[in-house]
Amino acid sequence: GAVVSQHPSRVICKSGTSVKIECRSLDFQATTMFWYRQFPKQSLMLMATSNEGSKATYEQGVEKDKFLINHASLTLSTLTVTSAHPEDSSFYICSAGDSRSWTYEQYFGPGTRLTVT
Amino acid sequence: DQQVKQNSPSLSVQEGRISILNCDYTNSMFDYFLWYKKYPAEGPTFLISISSIKDKNEDGRFTVFLNKSAKHLSLHIVPSQPGDSAVYFCAALQGGSEKLVFGKGTKLTVNP
Repeated sequence: GAVVSQHPSRVICKSGTSVKIECRSLDFQATTMFWYRQFPKQSLMLMATSNEGSKATYEQGVEKDKFLINHASLTLSTLTVTSAHPEDSSFYICSAGDSRSWTYEQYFGPGTRLTVT
Repeated sequence: DQQVKQNSPSLSVQEGRISILNCDYTNSMFDYFLWYKKYPAEGPTFLISISSIKDKNEDGRFTVFLNKSAKHLSLHIVPSQPGDSAVYFCAALQGGSEKLVFGKGTKLTVNP
């Protein structure tokens, strides 16, 4: 099956700093990638849809100036958490659909645990 | 308002028995449903899906049933194995959209 990687898997940063998370589709091209956030014992909440070559589409309530998304190529999307605060601590997961597939499966990365101190 | 609901936060079954995980939805425009399995600190892994034109889809030990009139789907795992212990998420797609809408998940524990 298709493989999606994320880097880093775990990051601890100080309040006020910025953190960049990378999401890569390793063996397929993804014109669209998705960024999710998961709080403990909660569902995966879609934050934004990342479109290659164009601006990301953010879900209601997600600050686009705080969560910067760049989809530089068909295999790479990045999420930058700017001026991070402790309330941004969470598990961030990306996903991508394989455009070659006739199904609607999305393949998820392993996630990034962000802790802001 | 949650459009996809998994009302049981946890389920415990004995190895070898059947596990039944339930999911309800409210949006009648959903036409494709997926089940994902997730281990702690990992991303979800796709398990099985079903289109709204079907009422059953089977893949090995996993079977998904869809009751459109009741807006209800279920995942059956037979026989259950300890390695199946994980959180299972139900997700839905609306026609023409790639946005998955997830339930809150059900934590399955299969006891040896």
